[in-house]
Amino acid sequence: QVQLVQSGAEVKKPGASVRVSCKASGYTFTHYFIHWVRQAPGQGLEWMGMVNPSSGSTTYTQKLQGRVTLTRDTSTTTVYMELIGLTFDDTGVYYCARGTYGAADENWGLGTLVTVSS
Amino acid sequence: QSVLTQPPSASATPGQSVTISCSGSSSNIGSETVSWYQQFPGTAPKLLMYNNNQRPSGVPDRFSGSKSGTSASLAITGLQSEDEASYYCASWDATLNVVFGGGTKVTVL
Repeated sequence: QVQLVQSGAEVKKPGASVRVSCKASGYTFTHYFIHWVRQAPGQGLEWMGMVNPSSGSTTYTQKLQGRVTLTRDTSTTTVYMELIGLTFDDTGVYYCARGTYGAADENWGLGTLVTVSS
Repeated sequence: QSVLTQPPSASATPGQSVTISCSGSSSNIGSETVSWYQQFPGTAPKLLMYNNNQRPSGVPDRFSGSKSGTSASLAITGLQSEDEASYYCASWDATLNVVFGGGTKVTVL
């Protein structure tokens, strides 16, 4: 079955960077996009960007341009999300999700809690 | 401020129906398909509807979706206690973003 397994919770100081991984299994890795969506405490869903595992091409939300980088390793079927210049507003749960070019499908990771604290 | 506009809350008694609206623009809903996600507290979102009105396998048929112009709706008929959750609409936008609604918390009275 399709699984997206994310790395564990992180606690970071303001100004630091965080890298979250998302290991995919149970399907052909290069046939689906991987989206990243985050959710601040008590808030709604915010799309961050997506990567095409086949080509490595990426699309990011303008809000995070220059701060977020998505990369993939086809040998380990893993996608990485790196966010730099962390602020308190970056605290939240980060999800990876499989999908097509424009939407996430029913396969989501369980989420990774990133806490930015001084 | 979310690009797609949803009411923050909706409620109904068990067995009744509830409809959640999602308002967008010509750059998103007006030209692209809409998805809906259901989320329970502390869990990942679950795809409830895609391509405006298609249910993934396992989603009960009391959930239905529709789209007209720059708006979409999710209807839940025969509301059950386990439907108490937050619901989010989403669409692709011409600005090359996936955009979400702010979410609607459904309460079963």
